[in-house]
Amino acid sequence: AQSVTQPDIHITVSEGASLELRCNYSYGATPYLFWYVQSPGQGLQLLLKYFSGDTLVQGIKGFEAEFKRSQSSFNLRKPSVHWSDAAEYFCAVGGFSNDYKLSFGAGTTVTVRA
Amino acid sequence: GAVVSQHPSWVICKSGTSVKIECRSLDFQATTMFWYRQFPKQSLMLMATSNEGSKATYEQGVEKDKFLINHASLTLSTLTVTSAHPEDSSFYICSARETLGQAVSGNTIYFGEGSWLTVV
Repeated sequence: AQSVTQPDIHITVSEGASLELRCNYSYGATPYLFWYVQSPGQGLQLLLKYFSGDTLVQGIKGFEAEFKRSQSSFNLRKPSVHWSDAAEYFCAVGGFSNDYKLSFGAGTTVTVRA
Repeated sequence: GAVVSQHPSWVICKSGTSVKIECRSLDFQATTMFWYRQFPKQSLMLMATSNEGSKATYEQGVEKDKFLINHASLTLSTLTVTSAHPEDSSFYICSARETLGQAVSGNTIYFGEGSWLTVV
């Protein structure tokens, strides 16, 4: 069975500070990993994805994530957050072995204070 | 990048009526689309997998006669909530898989903007 754990329900960070969102996954085969962002009342926007290759993945809006197989983790980072980064962030895992059905974590709400 | 569009963005319907939500992949062909449901302040729950030209595959606990899914073309899947009741009110989101060999991304899952359904 596949699953995703996002340990942090809510994170508050000051504008300009760095941000790290944790994601741990369980998947029986080679995982495809995704980070999505959702603003209130909106759909999901893909930030970045990992399929293979370089374990440090660059995404949009200045985000990056690092895949660590030994730790079953795919943490999302941003060096300097902007007020517009306040949103809900979801980590998801899927893959070829289950027809690419994605399992989502519970999400992490990011609040940015001035 | 690839775009998935949902329509309508929000809909209010009377209890007992049916409502249809469309999901379109605008610039790529998607043989597989997925329908999710999201309750307020919660994560997404997969309802069903929609495959072009074949029957949808429903997740355990999802009533296939209530949530009718049709994937008639490579760019369109529809979700029809039949005999809607207030407990069906939710945020419904579709996603489409951009398959390997098309465009640049390959096997990336893109999501629509979501559709708010309120049943009164």
